[in-house]
Amino acid sequence: QVKLVESGGGVVQPGRSPRLSCVASGFSFTSYGMHWVRQAPGKGLEWVAVISHDGSEKYYADSVMGRFTIARDNSKNTLYLQMNSLRAEDTAVYFCAKVIVGSTWGSFDYWGQGTLVTVSS
Amino acid sequence: QSVLTQPPSVSGAPGQRVTISCTGGSSNIGAGYDVHWYQQLPGTAPKLLIYANTLRPSGVPDRFSASKSGTSASLAISGLQAEDEADYYCQSYDSSLRGVFGGGTKLTVL
Repeated sequence: QVKLVESGGGVVQPGRSPRLSCVASGFSFTSYGMHWVRQAPGKGLEWVAVISHDGSEKYYADSVMGRFTIARDNSKNTLYLQMNSLRAEDTAVYFCAKVIVGSTWGSFDYWGQGTLVTVSS
Repeated sequence: QSVLTQPPSVSGAPGQRVTISCTGGSSNIGAGYDVHWYQQLPGTAPKLLIYANTLRPSGVPDRFSASKSGTSASLAISGLQAEDEADYYCQSYDSSLRGVFGGGTKLTVL
């Protein structure tokens, strides 16, 4: 069955640069666009970034543009989110999500369990 | 401030029907982008409830239905059950090729 497992979260000092990973299994990873979505404690969902199936297209939310980089390694079935210049407001649970059809855009039919990033000195 | 606007909360008694609205604009829902709905139980990842405006994934009860018109969409839940108590989010895209979510609606089953 489809499984998405995020890792890389934890307590991070402001300005540090952690990298989140999302390992996918149970589907043809190379055929699907993938997204990152985050949720600050007690708040709603916020879309973060998207990458096309082959990595050729990447788009970001204004709030992370220029600081975060989405990437993927299709040989490892792994999605990444490189987070630079972290701020307190980046504290959130970060979810990776798979698009329902073989496209970059669409609904998210599978989500990981999330990894909590806490930005604190 | 979310791009898509949802009511913060709705409530209903078991067996009743409730609706949750999702209002966007001309650059997102009104531009023709599909609307999708998610249910999130406390402490869990969101679950896809409705995709492409009106379609239910396999396993989602037909008590859940949705529609889209103009710059808005709505989710309806009929025959309310205690297990429906959760947060509900609408999601779409905008013409700048970014995902957008509603602020979420907390459903309380009285």
